[in-house]
Amino acid sequence: AQSVTQLDSQVPVFEEAPVELRCNYSSSVSVYLFWYVQYPNQGLQLLLKYLSGSTLVKGINGFEAEFNKSQTSFHLRKPSVHISDTAEYFCAVSEKGAQKLVFGQGTRLTINP
Amino acid sequence: NAGVTQTPKFQVLKTGQSMTLQCAQDMNHEYMSWYRQDPGMGLRLIHYSVGAGITDQGEVPNGYNVSRSTTEDFPLRLLSAAPSQTSVYFCASSYSGTFSGNTIYFGEGSWLTVV
Repeated sequence: AQSVTQLDSQVPVFEEAPVELRCNYSSSVSVYLFWYVQYPNQGLQLLLKYLSGSTLVKGINGFEAEFNKSQTSFHLRKPSVHISDTAEYFCAVSEKGAQKLVFGQGTRLTINP
Repeated sequence: NAGVTQTPKFQVLKTGQSMTLQCAQDMNHEYMSWYRQDPGMGLRLIHYSVGAGITDQGEVPNGYNVSRSTTEDFPLRLLSAAPSQTSVYFCASSYSGTFSGNTIYFGEGSWLTVV
């Protein structure tokens, strides 16, 4: 069965610093991978997704993620964060052929001025 | 631009009461689902539906019922609320399900407290 582990529950960074949010998954078959963002008191919105092809995926708001099949990882990065990036970020995986999206526990990103 | 609409946004229930969380989408999506979000546990799938008349259980279905009589609506019923069901509930929909990698669109959430 598929599972997702987000390695950090909280990540504090200073404004304009780079950030990496780590995500590892477990699955015995091919997968689709997603990053969602949740701003306070809101629903989730898609940041980016990996379906196939290039392992470097670019998303909205300057975020990107890299799929590493050998390490079963899908880490999210941004070269320079802003106060407005303060949110909770969720990594999610879906096995090809499955009808379920499995989420990680979430990483709370806090940006300090 | 309604997307996925959930009602109510906030609800307080007493233990043993029943209620229904409503979810409607106007995107003609075949796939709809309900998740619950609890601190430190991410989102967990309760039930999902791949089309009108078809529902299936997710990871945490106990205590919840669903039905899908129309493409647009997917209500979640709590028959006898328990404090363990205190959570934030999200309805989500997708064009044809996650197996093809389609984006899932989320509602804004329903905050439920059971006392």
